Amino acid sequence: QKEVEQNSGPLSVPEGAIASLNCTYSDRGSQSFFWYRQYSGKSPELIMFIYSNGDKEDGRFTAQLNKASQYVSLLIRDSQPSDSATYLCAVNIAGGYNKLIFGAGTRLAVHP
Amino acid sequence: EAGVAQSPRYKIIEKRQSVAFWCNPISGHATLYWYQQILGQGPKLLIQFQNNGVVDDSQLPKDRFSAERLKGVDSTLKIQPAKLEDSAVYLCASSPGTGGYYEQYFGPGTRLTVT
Repeated sequence: QKEVEQNSGPLSVPEGAIASLNCTYSDRGSQSFFWYRQYSGKSPELIMFIYSNGDKEDGRFTAQLNKASQYVSLLIRDSQPSDSATYLCAVNIAGGYNKLIFGAGTRLAVHP
Repeated sequence: EAGVAQSPRYKIIEKRQSVAFWCNPISGHATLYWYQQILGQGPKLLIQFQNNGVVDDSQLPKDRFSAERLKGVDSTLKIQPAKLEDSAVYLCASSPGTGGYYEQYFGPGTRLTVT
């Protein structure tokens, strides 16, 4: 059974701080990794994806991937109250037709 | 560019009744997915279509769930008969292809409550 693990949180950070969200996965053959943001009562919204080891930056967001450790993270710089949401990590399953396995998500709360 | 469309947005039914959900993917997207998201969990794939063919339905409860994608565009997911544990949000997503590097984009979802 392929698994994606996330700390459920809540992760509470003050406004302006860096939020660090972590995700581990079990399928060593996974090649692509996605971060979705989900506001309460809304559907998941894609915010970043990463395929190669290392860092990928997009605005205030940085995704980090370490395939050897089977670990992917999302950093949010200058956190804002509007970033308060659940962040879902999704991992592509090797050999599948772009089949994603989602973690249960980490709830982030940014307080003023 | 219009996003993924779904209807209805909300549905309340009694157990043992039937229900159907509709999805229209992003124009030109060949791959369509149906997910079930139970409160507090991540989305779980139920079925995946490439054009109008099924490529993965390994987690679809086939005794009560069915889905079709006619003409490779719109799709319908049906539950018959519904059980209490089917209460969830049903999400439709689409992507341009089935390779491992295509992003999936979600519709607004249908919140189903089975009483």
